[in-house]
Amino acid sequence: AQSVTQPDIHITVSEGASLELRCNYSYGATPYLFWYVQSPGQGLQLLLKYFSGDTLVQGIKGFEAEFKRSQSSFNLRKPSVHWSDAAEYFCAVGDAGNMLTFGGGTRLMVKP
Amino acid sequence: EAGVAQSPRYKIIEKRQSVAFWCNPISGHATLYWYQQILGQGPKLLIQFQNNGVVDDSQLPKDRFSAERLKGVDSTLKIQPAKLEDSAVYLCASSLGPGLLKNIQYFGAGTRLSVL
Repeated sequence: AQSVTQPDIHITVSEGASLELRCNYSYGATPYLFWYVQSPGQGLQLLLKYFSGDTLVQGIKGFEAEFKRSQSSFNLRKPSVHWSDAAEYFCAVGDAGNMLTFGGGTRLMVKP
Repeated sequence: EAGVAQSPRYKIIEKRQSVAFWCNPISGHATLYWYQQILGQGPKLLIQFQNNGVVDDSQLPKDRFSAERLKGVDSTLKIQPAKLEDSAVYLCASSLGPGLLKNIQYFGAGTRLSVL
C-alpha cells in the first residue's frame, strides 16, 4: 500500500527566508507525486505535480519540488517566502488507478 | 471556469441524526471524489465515481455512509446516523477522467461537519 510521510507538522519561517517542506513516500512502482496547498476554510489547490521526466518540477506561486528516487522524497522549496504563503501544505502520491494518498500535512507560519 | 461547488459550508448536528452534503463538479468532469479530512490530518478518500458508477468505495463506512451520483453530474454524500467521530471537513473533488494527464483533481471548499 502506498503511504506519504510529512515529518514536520509545523514550520515557522521569517518572511523573505527560504523554505523547504519535506515529503517521503512509499510506493512500489513509479510514483505520481503532487503538492497541494490549503488556506483556512478553503479547499486544496494544486501547486505542482511530477509524473515523469525532469526531476525538478516548477509550480505556481514560485514553488518548486525535486523528485529523488534514491531517497523516496519529493521536497517542496521556495527561495523567498511571502506572508501570503502561510497555509497548510499536503504532499500526495497517486497510483495508476488515479487514487491519491495524502500525507498528514505541514502547517507553515510566516513571521513578519 | 466555475470550480467545484459544495453545500452547505457548515453543518452542526447531534449524534444519531442524519446529514447530507451536496457537490457539483466542474462541468465536463467525469470523475468525482469524496474525501474526509479530520482536523490535523490529510484528506482520506471515501469514494470515487466515474460518471454514475462507483470505482472505489473501499474506505466508505457503508453501515452509515452512502453516496450517489445518479445522473453522472452532481453527487450527494449522506451520513445516517452520525457519530461524534464523523466530525470533519468533507471535501469533494473532480477531474476530467481516467488517464494520468486528465486526472488532476480540483477541490471544492468543503463542508465542515460538527457532531455534538
